[in-house]
Amino acid sequence: EDKVVQSPLSLVVHEGDTVTLNCSYEVTNFRSLLWYKQEKKAPTFLFMLTSSGIEKKSGRLSSILDKKELFSILNITATQTGDSAIYLCARGGGADGLTFGKGTHLIIQP
Amino acid sequence: DVKVTQSSRYLVKRTGEKVFLECVQDMDHENMFWYRQDPGLGLRLIYFSYDVKMKEKGDIPEGYSVSREKKERFSLILESASTNQTSMYLCASSAPGTGREKLFFGSGTQLSVL
Repeated sequence: EDKVVQSPLSLVVHEGDTVTLNCSYEVTNFRSLLWYKQEKKAPTFLFMLTSSGIEKKSGRLSSILDKKELFSILNITATQTGDSAIYLCARGGGADGLTFGKGTHLIIQP
Repeated sequence: DVKVTQSSRYLVKRTGEKVFLECVQDMDHENMFWYRQDPGLGLRLIYFSYDVKMKEKGDIPEGYSVSREKKERFSLILESASTNQTSMYLCASSAPGTGREKLFFGSGTQLSVL
């Protein structure tokens, strides 16, 4: 059984659209929820969330955590082709680093 | 700027060969990790280390070993490579304490075992 579940697994939208990516997780030993963006190379850090209901923002990207319902969302507004990437959600907690979801492959069409 | 360097971007090896994947970080991080990434499966943890000469098994350690002789270097070893070890291998590091879950990744090594 997967500890971190992302949806959708893939998504194709047009430039300028707003997208919402979802991530649900198991509560066991939960400490934090992280989002990464992966283009062709290394995943790069976007957000780390530990408190429920507090939105984190960086430009057109924002994320929020709901610890009651055990999920997080990543929003991207006014999408651009450069937003095309795999978006990874990961759960932190326990002794062994991060547990990742399968990722959402986002494609932004011009 | 934070830097995690993996020695090879692409590697092609034959079945049965011994393979070394090297990873070096310049951030003085205690924690280092090896993941593999496969389509449809996401990132899966192979081994991790919280200190020099220390290693812990992750979720899929079978067929792999690791070495951490120096703080900045974490090596992944495939003792006898097999075709099912064809994958993207990602190394990561993190600081101790509350920063340990913010991982910094290397660019990855795409390994093909023929």
